[in-house]
Amino acid sequence: AQSVSQHNHHVILSEAASLELGCNYSYGGTVNLFWYVQYPGQHLQLLLKYFSGDPLVKGIKGFEAEFIKSKFSFNLRKPSVQWSDTAEYFCAVNVIYLGTSYGKLTFGQGTILTVHP
Amino acid sequence: DTGVSQDPRHKITKRGQNVTFRCDPISEHNRLYWYRQTLGQGPEFLTYFQNEAQLEKSRLLSDRFSAERPKGSFSTLEIQRTEQGDSAMYLCASSSGVSNQPQHFGDGTRLSIL
Repeated sequence: AQSVSQHNHHVILSEAASLELGCNYSYGGTVNLFWYVQYPGQHLQLLLKYFSGDPLVKGIKGFEAEFIKSKFSFNLRKPSVQWSDTAEYFCAVNVIYLGTSYGKLTFGQGTILTVHP
Repeated sequence: DTGVSQDPRHKITKRGQNVTFRCDPISEHNRLYWYRQTLGQGPEFLTYFQNEAQLEKSRLLSDRFSAERPKGSFSTLEIQRTEQGDSAMYLCASSSGVSNQPQHFGDGTRLSIL
């Protein structure tokens, strides 16, 4: 069964610092990859997704992620964080088998990002 | 934008009682998913419907859990004879049947077992 690992449980940064959150997955086949964000008191929202093509994907609010297939990684980056980026971030994977996406998402354990003004 | 709606938002019940949660997906979405999230963990998949058909169930979904989507629209998740370990946030998500569409999540139902 596939699994997803997020390297950091809690990251604390000051505003304007650069951000990189690590995500690795364990599945040798084709996958779709996602980053979701959960702001305090809100539901999970899609930040960005990778299905195919350019391995560098851009999402909302200045976030981007790079898919490196050889490393089974999909790290999230932002060059300059803001206080409003304080949230919990989840990496997720779903498996593509014979060209079909089986809907189940497998999530990492989440990374809490705290940004100090 | 009417997103995924879940009811109730919070449920407190005594151990041994039955509880039922409801999820209303985004109207044009034919796929519906249930997940469970405990403190400090990411959501864990429970089950998945395409229209009214339940296509996959996790081993996490014991015999005390049952999910339905009778008309392919809203779904219910029932837990019978609740246990302390059932305390969690239960999340519902929906997506369209078009390939490679992301899931949209509701606010969840937080279940607390006394």
